[in-house]
Amino acid sequence: DTAVSQTPKYLVTQMGNDKSIKCEQNLGHDTMYWYKQDSKKFLKIMFSYNNKELIINETVPNRFSPKSPDKAHLNLHINSLELGDSAVYFCASSQEWGQGFYEQYFGPGTRLTVT
Amino acid sequence: DAKTTQPPSMDCAEGRAANLPCNHSTISGNEYVYWYRQIHSQGPQYIIHGLKNNETNEMASLIITEDRKSSTLILPHATLRDTAVYYCIVRAFTGTASKLTFGTGTRLQVTL
Repeated sequence: DTAVSQTPKYLVTQMGNDKSIKCEQNLGHDTMYWYKQDSKKFLKIMFSYNNKELIINETVPNRFSPKSPDKAHLNLHINSLELGDSAVYFCASSQEWGQGFYEQYFGPGTRLTVT
Repeated sequence: DAKTTQPPSMDCAEGRAANLPCNHSTISGNEYVYWYRQIHSQGPQYIIHGLKNNETNEMASLIITEDRKSSTLILPHATLRDTAVYYCIVRAFTGTASKLTFGTGTRLQVTL
């Protein structure tokens, strides 16, 4: 069974369009994340949600709007796509409570190409 | 978060141990050392983590120096499938969500 899944795997679209990427985790985790990996392979966190509440928002343009309908899903909607949005977007989840570290499980990624 | 420094690339012969170093000289007392890897363009995969003591699991061993300013990830018998970019991350747990800050990592090439 896939732990963290993302759809679509590939997304090619034109500048100015609006698109969504979906993420689902079946691990029962309460925290989900979106990361962006650009063409230089730098991997940076964008958002984190805990129990449907936004916890981390890393200075991402407001064209990006995450939505968490429930604990198992965290979708990423992008308005007015720009060339610079081309990247691989990774969803991740973890179960975090109290002190300590809990590993993050990553999805397979969605490669977004804006033309 | 403390900054980490890793060599950009390393080679290792298949079957030999791969020792990947990481410097984190500004690490503070409550910060853990985590290792993840990314195989080709797949999502990063957790390998191991530690605070003070050396750790071992089915994938690797983590050796942390006594002053905690550096660590080494050891893959005891590297295989071709271990070819990947390995990230050393230092991070304190701050409550609800752990923000992982990935650096440039070490690209490990395992060869025949």
